[in-house]
Amino acid sequence: SQELEQSPQSLIVQEGKNLTINCTSSKTLYGLYWYKQKYGEGLIFLMMLQKGGEEKSHEKITAKLDEKKQQSSLHITASQPSHAGIYLCGANYGNNRLAFGKGNQVVVIP
Amino acid sequence: NAGVMQNPRHLVRRRGQEARLRCSPMKGHSHVYWYRQLPEEGLKFMVYLQKENIIDESGMPKERFSAEFPKEGPSILRIQQVVRGDSAAYFCASSPSPQGSSNQPQHFGDGTRLSIL
Repeated sequence: SQELEQSPQSLIVQEGKNLTINCTSSKTLYGLYWYKQKYGEGLIFLMMLQKGGEEKSHEKITAKLDEKKQQSSLHITASQPSHAGIYLCGANYGNNRLAFGKGNQVVVIP
Repeated sequence: NAGVMQNPRHLVRRRGQEARLRCSPMKGHSHVYWYRQLPEEGLKFMVYLQKENIIDESGMPKERFSAEFPKEGPSILRIQQVVRGDSAAYFCASSPSPQGSSNQPQHFGDGTRLSIL
């Protein structure tokens, strides 16, 4: 079974609109990482969350980790075409790897 | 550019041939991870290496796949006698300290897209 579930699987928004995507873990996280991937390219690190209730922002992107450290949301304010891509959440469960969800595909219509 | 470097970006092999994928970690990073991304699936962990040591290969297929990270030079993921099912994107990541004991992010390369004819 999948340890990390990302929802919605895909999302289409009009440029300028806000959007939120979610990542839910089946167990407590040591750390949660958000990456962005464009088709045919590598993963770009966005943000890392460690503590329950933590919130981080970078430009128009805000990510939160819930108090139980099992769910994270990523919110984009006033989306732009440059925000289009696949957003991947990666979980550190204290072992030697990251476990990834299947991703949220975001399409921004100009 | 001090990022994770992978080559080649694209690799085409016929069934039965060998594929060699290379990864140079970021400067100052001595921990390397390999992941495989199949169509419609997420990234799956394959192997974790430090210089000259395989630390965790629990995600590697038991046969035909091997990895190394020599004292000098890049990390190599080697696939022998490739089959169609090996077609995928293979990503390498690096970190300055072990992922399990720290929350340092892993930084990824652009990947190698392997196609098997």
